[in-house]
Order: sequence, then structure tokens, then C-alpha cells
Amino acid sequence: DAGVIQSPRHEVTEMGQEVTLRCKPISGHDYLFWYRQTMMRGLELLIYFNNNVPIDDSGMPEDRFSAKMPNASFSTLKIQPSEPRDSAVYFCASSPTDSYYGYTFGSGTRLTVV
Amino acid sequence: LAKTTQPISMDSYEGQEVNITCSHNNIATNDYITWYQQFPSQGPRFIIQGYKTKVTNEVASLFIPADRKSSTLSLPRVSLSDTAVYYCLVGDGGGYNKLIFGAGTRLAVHP
Repeated sequence: DAGVIQSPRHEVTEMGQEVTLRCKPISGHDYLFWYRQTMMRGLELLIYFNNNVPIDDSGMPEDRFSAKMPNASFSTLKIQPSEPRDSAVYFCASSPTDSYYGYTFGSGTRLTVV
Repeated sequence: LAKTTQPISMDSYEGQEVNITCSHNNIATNDYITWYQQFPSQGPRFIIQGYKTKVTNEVASLFIPADRKSSTLSLPRVSLSDTAVYYCLVGDGGGYNKLIFGAGTRLAVHP
């Protein structure tokens, strides 16, 4: 099992550009979560999916952020347009239904918006 | 939401036992208590989970008193590689649901 796979590992972009982060969850996991981590705010839950359906997106900071999960093996988090304050590490995590909070996290994408 | 309170930082030395206590006064009846570990530049890693009394695995032990308003993560004989941030989490009482991370405890293990 390769674990949760995120790409790219690092992304540097200019303010105003569109950024797309990608995540491949562990096969068989039907929950997928997107988190953002910064020094100031710690780990914040942005959105999570169950069986490819968004369940709670109350953590998405604003309309510039959107997330999709077109199938069980792929999810994207898009920021358009990006701003310097979006600079953070973005983590994707997945979990099976019967895991009771035992998530597996990916290695994260470090996003820098200049 | 069931919030947690844990020390911001702790220091220890190699070979010692480390106990990190977490307070969760508003834990719901069906909530589990879960601990994660995070190394720099990595995602959090699940360590241990429990509901009541004591749970032990190859990495740590988790002690939960009868009232479940607190829990203690115990790391036996720590090494330098145990230097990390440790997060205590409880569910928000809605059954299987989202995990909310607090600030965590930054553990520094010294030679």
C-alpha cells in the first residue's frame, strides 16, 4: 500500500494564478479530508468527502477555494485566484468508515504564493 | 465541539518515560480519544486510540479515567526520534465525523 499520495510536493506560484493540488486516497477508504497547516492557525479542516460526496465544507476559507472528488481514487483542491495568504502546507487524509478517527495523512503539498 | 487542552511544550531526555495529559471536559458519550504524532515536513501519524481505561500498542499507552474528562499518552523510554508534536483529539459527538486538531504538544527529547 503506497499510502495517501499528494502532488505536487512543492508549488510556487504568483499571486493571481490558479493552483490545483491533487490527492489519491488509499484504496477502499471512503472518507477523504483536506487540511491546511500554518504556523499561525495550526491544522485546519477545509472540507471532507464521504463516498465522493462533499459532506462539510464549512472550513473552506472563501469562494476562491473549491474541491472535487470525481471518483473514489482522486480528489483536487483548487485555489483561483491564489493570494500570498494562501501559502501553507495542504494535507490530504483518508480513512475507512470503521476506523473511528484513525486517518492516514499524505506528505502534504507546500504551497508558496509570491 | 469537544475541545481539548494540552501543554504547549514539554522537554525530556533519552530513556525517560514521557506522559502528556490532555483535558477534554466536554467529551460526548460516543466519542473516542485519539492521539497523533507529527514530525517536521510530514503529515500527522495515528498513534493510538481509546474509549476508556487503558490501551497499549507497540508505540504508546493511553490511560483514560472513568469520567473520561482527560487522557494521558505515555511514551516509554523516549529517544531523540520521538521529538515531534503530539495532538490529542476527540470527536465532535456526531458519530463518525470530522477531526479538529488543537495546537498540540511540542515534545523535545534531549540527549
